[in-house]
Amino acid sequence: GENVEQHPSTLSVQEGDSAVIKCTYSDSASNYFPWYKQELGKGPQLIIDIRSNVGEKKDQRIAVTLNKTAKHFSLHITETQPEDSAVYFCAASREYDMRFGAGTRLTVKP
Amino acid sequence: DAGITQSPRHKVTETGTPVTLRCHQTENHRYMYWYRQDPGHGLRLIHYSYGVKDTDKGEVSDGYSVSRSKTEDFLLTLESATSSQTSVYFCATLDSPNTEAFFGQGTRLTVV
Repeated sequence: GENVEQHPSTLSVQEGDSAVIKCTYSDSASNYFPWYKQELGKGPQLIIDIRSNVGEKKDQRIAVTLNKTAKHFSLHITETQPEDSAVYFCAASREYDMRFGAGTRLTVKP
Repeated sequence: DAGITQSPRHKVTETGTPVTLRCHQTENHRYMYWYRQDPGHGLRLIHYSYGVKDTDKGEVSDGYSVSRSKTEDFLLTLESATSSQTSVYFCATLDSPNTEAFFGQGTRLTVV
């Protein structure tokens, strides 16, 4: 089955700095790569996603890049704000089989 | 917010007792999932369903069973709870393949 690895497990940045979270996957058939944000006491919510036929996607301060050859994808958050503090999960999906990374706890210090 | 309700939200149970967690959705989504969340492991797939009465195992299915008798409900059963099943359990739904998944609020289960 699919195996998704996510790094780092924790990340602390100063407000206004950028944050980068990286994931690798094992199944070359995976073709959909979403990122979820989980705030304390809540379920994860989608923040951005990318499909295998796209190399990069941006939505305001958030961007995701995908390298299918190397089987890795990354989340970039620019101009971080305290409200970006949360746990972030990457996922790799093939049809309806969706597997997640172990998560990154991001702390943005004011 | 997607209409996904998990019940109960919190439960403490004793080792060896059966436990059933319920996920109810009002979105008419075809696919439903049960994940467990543990520190250092993220979200691990227990079981999923791709239609009524159609279920399959995930990566950590041992000790768990599921049932889906109607579109809106997906039940997760621990036949004989163990301390290793202490975790936060999340239900998720998917309308169609490779689209956004919607999660419930989670159920915190403690097995003592």
